[in-house]
Amino acid sequence: QVQLQESGPGLVKPSETLSLTCTVSGGPINSYYWSWIRQPPGKGLEWIGYIYYSGSTNYNPSLKSRVTLSVDTSKSQFSLRLTSVTAADTAVYYCARHGTMGGRIDPWGQGTLVTVSS
Amino acid sequence: QSALTQPASVSGSPGQSITISCTGTTSDVGAYNYVSWYQQHPGKAPKLMIYDVSNRPSGVSNRFSGSKSGNTASLTISGLQAEDEADYFCSSYTSSSTRVFGGGTKLTVL
Repeated sequence: QVQLQESGPGLVKPSETLSLTCTVSGGPINSYYWSWIRQPPGKGLEWIGYIYYSGSTNYNPSLKSRVTLSVDTSKSQFSLRLTSVTAADTAVYYCARHGTMGGRIDPWGQGTLVTVSS
Repeated sequence: QSALTQPASVSGSPGQSITISCTGTTSDVGAYNYVSWYQQHPGKAPKLMIYDVSNRPSGVSNRFSGSKSGNTASLTISGLQAEDEADYFCSSYTSSSTRVFGGGTKLTVL
């Protein structure tokens, strides 16, 4: 079945850019929407944004000015860039799939903890 | 966009039923039948339990059910079991074509 795996640095300095990649295996990247979702330690889930395999995107308005999502269908990967990070961006970052814009988010990656600290 | 409103905690004894509410607005929960529920055990990724308000993915126990009335969706767990103890999050599609999550509810099985 489809599996998602996040990868990237676990530590980022304040004011720098957080970059993560999600690799999709066991299924196609085409014809699906792909989301990034984060969870600060001990807190709830926050949707960051999604990208369609064609490259169209939509972002959480609260993060829109700092977020860029991209997709590389040849590598079955999609990526997240979050600029000007602060300690408030410390969280477990999950990538996930959904079949339609509003449809169920499933499956999810295992998540990767990114800590923002100098 | 504001987070959907969930109770911070609920509890129940084994065998009992509990219901978790998820309140949104006419721009999200009330506007679409795109409400889903996720279960999260400590240190684990969220797991889809209910989608499109009331549909269960294959493999999810029929003790889990979902419903919606107006701007409020609900998750009901019947015949509580110890393994149900977890955090539960609701999510909805919005009129801006974005997603919003609830703040989460901690379920304690007494």
